[in-house]
Amino acid sequence: EPEVTQTPSHQVTQMGQEVILRCVPISNHLYFYWYRQILGQKVEFLVSFYNNEISEKSEIFDDQFSVERPDGSNFTLKIRSTKLEDSAMYFCASSRENTGELFFGEGSRLTVL
Amino acid sequence: GEDVEQSLFLSVREGDSSVINCTYTDSSSTYLYWYKQEPGAGLQLLTYIFSNMDMKQDQRLTVLLNKKDKHLSLRIADTQTGDSAIYFCAEIGVKTSYDKVIFGPGTSLSVIP
Repeated sequence: EPEVTQTPSHQVTQMGQEVILRCVPISNHLYFYWYRQILGQKVEFLVSFYNNEISEKSEIFDDQFSVERPDGSNFTLKIRSTKLEDSAMYFCASSRENTGELFFGEGSRLTVL
Repeated sequence: GEDVEQSLFLSVREGDSSVINCTYTDSSSTYLYWYKQEPGAGLQLLTYIFSNMDMKQDQRLTVLLNKKDKHLSLRIADTQTGDSAIYFCAEIGVKTSYDKVIFGPGTSLSVIP
């Protein structure tokens, strides 16, 4: 069964460092998303991406964040200068249509020290 | 703003029915979803209901929607220990935009053998 894969599963970084989280969405999906979940808290929307551009972003997704689809298969989330409060589980998701039927990866845990 | 609320914890005995409740604020919600998150995993879509439906049944799962009260529930019949997980209510609609799914905080279901 096709699935969304994310790497790395866990990354530890120093505050101020750049981090890139990678995702391979399901191959025939057209809509891509990043969500994050701080431990014990809500699953928060960060950004959605369609047709090679951002279609929606939240207040969390400030200038420190960027997304890219550098080739036909990868979808990346970059955090330019990490802060302690960026520590969270980051989930990538994809969907064939924008109806909310999202397929999630297993997440990348980011720990900022 | 748009918001989705759930009770945070529910504990049931194996074999009993579980009922997980959710309220939402966006009256224009078009689709409402239940996602399940098992420990260490991403979110998995369990079921969904269109806003023009009152009820949807899928094997052991029954979804009830009261659009007037903006209340959604998920009933799991004959709850098993494998049903222990966090259950997220989610919605998408005109106000929230079809480009992002808004999740509730999740209800942690514990099934006692």
